[in-house]
Amino acid sequence: SQELEQSPQSLIVQEGKNLTINCTSSKTLYGLYWYKQKYGEGLIFLMMLQKGGEEKSHEKITAKLDEKKQQSSLHITASQPSHAGIYLCGADGDGWGKLQFGAGTQVVVTP
Amino acid sequence: NAGVTQTPKFRILKIGQSMTLQCTQDMNHNYMYWYRQDPGMGLKLIYYSVGAGITDKGEVPNGYNVSRSTTEDFPLRLELAAPSQTSVYFCASSYFAGGPYNEQFFGPGTRLTVL
Repeated sequence: SQELEQSPQSLIVQEGKNLTINCTSSKTLYGLYWYKQKYGEGLIFLMMLQKGGEEKSHEKITAKLDEKKQQSSLHITASQPSHAGIYLCGADGDGWGKLQFGAGTQVVVTP
Repeated sequence: NAGVTQTPKFRILKIGQSMTLQCTQDMNHNYMYWYRQDPGMGLKLIYYSVGAGITDKGEVPNGYNVSRSTTEDFPLRLELAAPSQTSVYFCASSYFAGGPYNEQFFGPGTRLTVL
């Protein structure tokens, strides 16, 4: 099976500062998904990357997939309290949507 | 659209009891999934379905059963509950299986404790 390692496990960032979360796979990724989870709630889809070197942005969140398709990063610019939560990366190993997830990165945004 | 709904939200079971976790989606999605999330861990796939009448095992299927008689519903059955099944269970659905349009929509989860 595919192993996904996320780093850091958690981070505390001051409002207005930038932050980066990394997701590394033990195998080549067919598709890499980023989700956000708030405590006690379901997962909210952020974006999906499929091609090596691909980069996508939505509002202040940018995700990249490296050329070898084994590592992805999620970058938040000028963090806000609304960015607090758990960020999870998920990998589609065979294109059938059977996602395997990393353990998540907990983000805390302080005033 | 309600999206993906799950019931119940919380449940406490005694060891050996059985229960069914309900999942319904109103988006006419063919693909549906059940995941479990243990504390501090990522989600693990239990079972999935590619359409009514078709289901298959995921990464951690032991102790669970599923059925899919309609497009909308995908119940998860726990037989003989064990403490190891204490977890948060998420149901998800998607229109496509993979590719750039495979956004999986998740329900709010069912928090299950087995004592």
